[in-house]
Amino acid sequence: AQTVTQSQPEMSVQEAETVTLSCTYDTSESNYYLFWYKQPPSRQMILVIRQEAYKQQNATENRFSVNFQKAAKSFSLKISDSQLGDTAMYFCAFINYGGSQGNLIFGKGTKLSVKP
Amino acid sequence: GAVVSQHPSRVICKSGTSVKIECRSLDFQATTMFWYRQFPKQSLMLMATSNEGSKATYEQGVEKDKFLINHASLTLSTLTVTSAHPEDSSFYICSACRDPGTYEQYFGPGTRLTVT
Repeated sequence: AQTVTQSQPEMSVQEAETVTLSCTYDTSESNYYLFWYKQPPSRQMILVIRQEAYKQQNATENRFSVNFQKAAKSFSLKISDSQLGDTAMYFCAFINYGGSQGNLIFGKGTKLSVKP
Repeated sequence: GAVVSQHPSRVICKSGTSVKIECRSLDFQATTMFWYRQFPKQSLMLMATSNEGSKATYEQGVEKDKFLINHASLTLSTLTVTSAHPEDSSFYICSACRDPGTYEQYFGPGTRLTVT
């Protein structure tokens, strides 16, 4: 079975500080994508960052970067210079492709609060 | 951009009535759209995959006759909750795939359904 685990239900960080959200996944597939989605209080799901499993280089998008450890099946998200607008639920997600495409599988989420 | 809209954003209906929720991709064509359900403080649960011009694929445990999905065009998918009951009250979110090769899903803003 393919699963995504986010072990931190809630986290908080001071504005301008750095925070890392953890995510591990389990799959026997070798072709897949990993995503971090953000869901602010408005409930709109927003893609934060994407990582292709075949790429060794960690993806970055401005203040957001990932630490992708394929062997360990770990995909953490680092948010630098945290801003109040980063307050949201963050979901790690996984989708495999190739022989039989799977569905997007979400972790249970981490609620991040950025404090002024 | 990749904008997905949903209508209505909120709906209240009486038990036994049917409710239709629309999901539109505004600036791209989507051969595949997805319908999710999100319970309070929980992750997204995939209900069904909607394919343009063909029948939807439902996840295990989702009643096909209760949650009718129609994907009539490349920019519109509808979810109809038939004979709604209070237990159907939830947040329903749709998503669409703009670039099939990236498996990246763009989400609508969601619809809050309350059945009284």
